Amino acid sequence: NAGVTQTPKFRILKIGQSMTLQCTQDMNHNYMYWYRQDPGMGLKLIYYSVGAGITDKGEVPNGYNVSRSTTEDFPLRLELAAPSQTSVYFCASSSTGKGAYEQYFGPGTRLTVT
Amino acid sequence: GDSVTQMEGPVTLSEEAFLTINCTYTATGYPSLFWYVQYPGEGLQLLLKATKADDKGSNKGFEATYRKETTSFHLEKGSVQVSDSAVYFCALTPRNAGGTSYGKLTFGQGTILTVHP
Repeated sequence: NAGVTQTPKFRILKIGQSMTLQCTQDMNHNYMYWYRQDPGMGLKLIYYSVGAGITDKGEVPNGYNVSRSTTEDFPLRLELAAPSQTSVYFCASSSTGKGAYEQYFGPGTRLTVT
Repeated sequence: GDSVTQMEGPVTLSEEAFLTINCTYTATGYPSLFWYVQYPGEGLQLLLKATKADDKGSNKGFEATYRKETTSFHLEKGSVQVSDSAVYFCALTPRNAGGTSYGKLTFGQGTILTVHP
């Protein structure tokens, strides 16, 4: 049981390039999330998904796109990378149901746009 | 909208000292409250949680009590260790009238804790 895995761990992009950050979970969780963490700041929600085929915007969605074709995978797409997207990106997942939701986080992808 | 405010850091303590990290929140209804911990180079891990007023979450010697009257969820530990050095995040997830949410977390800015031997 690997939990939440993310690839790559590090990436340097030039301005205007595109890339996809991969996220996979093996816990059969319906809910998945993408966050970004800027230095000295908390995490901010980019996009989330409540199941395969269902996604919605979070707090900071501009410049990103997502898809959810399977329960396991939730890739994050950056189009036309900008320096403002330099950050650490975390994927997370949680199970459904009432009450508190414990989110399980991946190890993160550190992205630098220059 | 919902928000979480943590005490400013960084916090530096000697081993075996008492730790308090303050957290207050603004939210409608009855959110669930969490403390997450991030060790160097790793993702976040859930440390403890509380889902209703007066609930006390506890784990690894850390405790926090859900105080609705003061909208607070302060993290405490009686005797810190060097291995507790990490970044600590307070967070909440809202709960709508139906009793469910999509688990979306709102985080505080994080508090860096360094414990010296």
